[in-house]
Order: sequence, then C-alpha cells, then structure tokens
Amino acid sequence: DAGVIQSPRHEVTEMGQEVTLRCKPISGHNSLFWYRQTMMRGLELLIYFNNNVPIDDSGMPEDRFSAKMPNASFSTLKIQPSEPRDSAVYFCASQGVLGNTIYFGEGSWLTVV
Amino acid sequence: EDKVVQSPLSLVVHEGDTVTLNCSYEVTNFRSLLWYKQEKKAPTFLFMLTSSGIEKKSGRLSSILDKKELFSILNITATQTGDSAVYLCAVFNGGATNKLIFGTGTLLAVQP
Repeated sequence: DAGVIQSPRHEVTEMGQEVTLRCKPISGHNSLFWYRQTMMRGLELLIYFNNNVPIDDSGMPEDRFSAKMPNASFSTLKIQPSEPRDSAVYFCASQGVLGNTIYFGEGSWLTVV
Repeated sequence: EDKVVQSPLSLVVHEGDTVTLNCSYEVTNFRSLLWYKQEKKAPTFLFMLTSSGIEKKSGRLSSILDKKELFSILNITATQTGDSAVYLCAVFNGGATNKLIFGTGTLLAVQP
C-alpha cells in the first residue's frame, strides 16, 4: 500500500512567491492533518480535515496560509506570499475511520530565501 | 491549554545502555498517547497506549502509560547506534477537534 504522498519533497523559493504543497492521503482514510516542524517549535498542527471538511484551523499562523481538500484523495496547503520565517518541514498525515494511529508523509522541506 | 512535555530534551549514551524517556501531558478528553521515532524523515509510529498499566513491547522498546499521574515512559534496552533519533510523544485530544498534540521530542544519540 502506498503511504501518504507529498510533493514537492523540497522547495526553495524567494520571499513573496506563492508556495503550494500537495498531499495524497492513504486511500480510505477520512482524516487529514497538516503539520509544520521547526527546530524551535517542534511539530505544530496547522489544520485538520475530517471527511474533506476543515474541522480545526486554529493552528494556521495567519491569513497568508490556506488549505483545501477538494476531495478525499487530495489536499493542498498554500502560502501566499511566502516569508523566510515560513521555512520549515511541512508534514501531511492521515488517519483511518477507526481513529487509530496517524501516518505521516515524508514531508515537504520548504526554504524561503 | 493542552500540552505535552517531554524530558530530557536530549540524551547521549553508549551502546548497550538502557534509556528511559519521559512524557507528561495535560489534555482535555484524553483518548490515547502515541510514541513516534523520527530520524531524517517523517515520524514513524512505535506505540499507541490507551490504558494504564499495560506495557506495550516491541523488541528492545517498551512503553507504559499512567493515566492517573498523566505520564508515559518509553524504555530502550541494550541501545544501538541505530536507535539514535528524535523520539516524539503525542497525545490525542479526543474532543470535537480530535487533535494529535506533540511534545518537542527527546533527541537520543547512541555512541559506539
């Protein structure tokens, strides 16, 4: 079985540019999470979807960040405009209906210069 | 505010040593506690604990939960250099938002 698939794996962009990160959850999973990881703050939950509906976006840093889940097999996290402080690893994770463990993608390593 | 606190923040041991990693939490609507190992990539799942006093074991790793005192420990016996990683503790807030709240992790370095 394919795990959670994220793209791009690495992204280097200039400040002010738009960044779009993509995620394909595990087939059949109905919950999807976006996390951001930095050395200083560890893993932070940005937003959580259940059955494609955003349930909790209280972790989204500011209006520059937005996330969508148009269907059960795809989600995007967009940053517009990007800033150097957005540099981090962004993880997507999915969880099945039984609500057991969360499985992580391999992350999108974002550097904003 | 829900929080998960891990200690120590970092640890350096020699191969063969036994280590104990700690995780304490304050979470409303506790549902479960999970341990993950993170090397260079994504966190990989180790254990999920939901009941107090029941030890979960996998090879040289074991973990136990105390829901009364609100903590968990992760033990690694006969450590190997391949155990070097960040170990993350996370707790499910089983309320309406169903959040998985992470601690900042314990960085374990096992020296040969």
